[in-house]
Amino acid sequence: EAGVAQSPRYKIIEKRQSVAFWCNPISGHATLYWYQQILGQGPKLLIQFQNNGVVDDSQLPKDRFSAERLKGVDSTLKIQPAKLEDSAVYLCASSTQQGIYEQYFGPGTRLTVT
Amino acid sequence: AQSVTQLDSQVPVFEEAPVELRCNYSSSVSVYLFWYVQYPNQGLQLLLKYLSGSTLVKGINGFEAEFNKSQTSFHLRKPSVHISDTAEYFCAVSNFGNEKLTFGTGTRLTIIP
Repeated sequence: EAGVAQSPRYKIIEKRQSVAFWCNPISGHATLYWYQQILGQGPKLLIQFQNNGVVDDSQLPKDRFSAERLKGVDSTLKIQPAKLEDSAVYLCASSTQQGIYEQYFGPGTRLTVT
Repeated sequence: AQSVTQLDSQVPVFEEAPVELRCNYSSSVSVYLFWYVQYPNQGLQLLLKYLSGSTLVKGINGFEAEFNKSQTSFHLRKPSVHISDTAEYFCAVSNFGNEKLTFGTGTRLTIIP
């Protein structure tokens, strides 16, 4: 079974530029999560999708971050414009269904904002 | 709101020695508890989880953890570590009926040959 795929793996941009990350979850997984992991901290949930609907985006900085999950499969997370403090690893995870409580994580995208 | 505290940011251990990584949580409601491992340049992998039942939970790679409700702890243990256990370990909590995870800050386990 293929795991969660993410691209790109690394990205360096200047502040005020925009950037997009892509995630392809495990086939058949209805729930998709985006996390932000700042160096030295644990992952923080940004947004959770159930199929193509948003379940929780309470910690997503909506003035600059946006995410979509078209057709309930792939997802894209965008930052526009980027700030220095957005430098982090962005992790995508997916899970099969409610009640299983096991999330499968992708390798992440390391973003450096200069 | 729930929170997780991992008191040790770094734990060095000699190879084949036992190890305990500490995790304490805070929540006003009943919780589910998890340990994830993150190897360098990789995503997180679930080691074990406590949802209900026996308070001693066994996971992959020889790890186990014990849920202690009175002490609000969920410490991770392994009787004999190997070089391949070198990684970052994260404790996480979620509330009943909510799959949203709140992670601790992580403990970096370094195995000394």
